[in-house]
Amino acid sequence: EAGVTQSPTHLIKTRGQQATLRCSPISGHTSVYWYQQALGLGLQFLLWYDEGEERNRGNFPPRFSGRQFPNYSSELNVNALELEDSALYLCASSPRDPKAWDIQYFGAGTRLSVL
Amino acid sequence: DAKTTQPPSMDCAEGRAANLPCNHSTISGNEYVYWYRQIHSQGPQYIIHGLKNNETNEMASLIITEDRKSSTLILPHATLRDTAVYYCIVRVRNSWGKLQFGAGTQVVVTP
Repeated sequence: EAGVTQSPTHLIKTRGQQATLRCSPISGHTSVYWYQQALGLGLQFLLWYDEGEERNRGNFPPRFSGRQFPNYSSELNVNALELEDSALYLCASSPRDPKAWDIQYFGAGTRLSVL
Repeated sequence: DAKTTQPPSMDCAEGRAANLPCNHSTISGNEYVYWYRQIHSQGPQYIIHGLKNNETNEMASLIITEDRKSSTLILPHATLRDTAVYYCIVRVRNSWGKLQFGAGTQVVVTP
């Protein structure tokens, strides 16, 4: 069974540009989560999508946005990139059953570098 | 979600048991204890979770004290591949998706 896949593996952008990160959940999973892991700040929750709807959002500015497609894959968009957006962006998925929401399966991440 | 306290780092000899403590003295009755780990350059990996009874799976054992104010994750026979940051997370089940990661414990398994 394929795990959570993220693309691209690495992404280099300059300040002010937009970045789009993609995530494909494990087959059968309907929830997708996004986390940011910046150096020295640990893993921070960004967004949670379930059944195409945004269910919860972390303490990030509106220029961090995303969506979930009918096939449950997801995109994270970061507009007007700032240097401090440089981080590892991790996507996770969990099954349809709410009782299993707490067990999240993570991808390997996208390393975003803003120059 | 309750706050957790973990030692920043610990070493363990290969083949020996690794006992990772976590303090969660403000845990409430409906909060579970979850453990994840993150091997360098990879995403976090779920290990185990529990409410009040001790739990065991193929990866580890979780021992929760009777008052639930602390717990210990036990890796019975540590290998070099167990070198990772281990996170103890306390939360109510199904609480709006997010996992709140702290700083965790950097475990280094040495030959």
